[in-house]
Amino acid sequence: GAVVSQHPSRVICKSGTSVKIECRSLDFQATTMFWYRQFPKQSLMLMATSNEGSKATYEQGVEKDKFLINHASLTLSTLTVTSAHPEDSSFYICSAYRKVGTEAFFGQGTRLTVV
Amino acid sequence: EDQVTQSPEALRLQEGESSSLNCSYTVSGLRGLFWYRQDPGKGPEFLFTLYSAGEEKEKERLKATLTKKESFLHITAPKPEDSATYLCAVQGGQGAQKLVFGQGTRLTINP
Repeated sequence: GAVVSQHPSRVICKSGTSVKIECRSLDFQATTMFWYRQFPKQSLMLMATSNEGSKATYEQGVEKDKFLINHASLTLSTLTVTSAHPEDSSFYICSAYRKVGTEAFFGQGTRLTVV
Repeated sequence: EDQVTQSPEALRLQEGESSSLNCSYTVSGLRGLFWYRQDPGKGPEFLFTLYSAGEEKEKERLKATLTKKESFLHITAPKPEDSATYLCAVQGGQGAQKLVFGQGTRLTINP
């Protein structure tokens, strides 16, 4: 069964509003989670690394003020897309490792559509 | 900078027609190479991890192999339900647990 759960799976929002996406590790604690973005027929691009109890680390070119990440507990990381615009429409996916040095498990993904 | 290139970009096979997908990589200190399967609208599903050249892993109709420069995902006698995008990713020594993904191979198996 799924070990990383992401919610919601789909969301439509109006331009200018903010949207929060949750990523939970279901049966393990994750001090680090990762947020990816995927455009149609393209691969996953890492946006940021979410660290429990400290600031997220953003990849080059990712606006930290637009994509707010909070990792308040060992099982939950949230990504908030602030003041969303149509160009933010994409598929957002989170991941976490059950154990360092092993495979990453991914959430089901969130399809964000900004209208 | 770590890089992953997958080929072909898309592949159509008839049911039962075996083939291989390629993943070429350059990485500073390979910690692991990972294969994932992704269905449309879903997150990637883990298939295999390979850690060192010469290693092989097998699961049902899939077999993954690794050399110092590339990995192959061999699919034997595929079925329509094997249709998906197959993603290859590497984890290098520089970026902690970060994964660098290839662009994927979209595999279609026709009945």
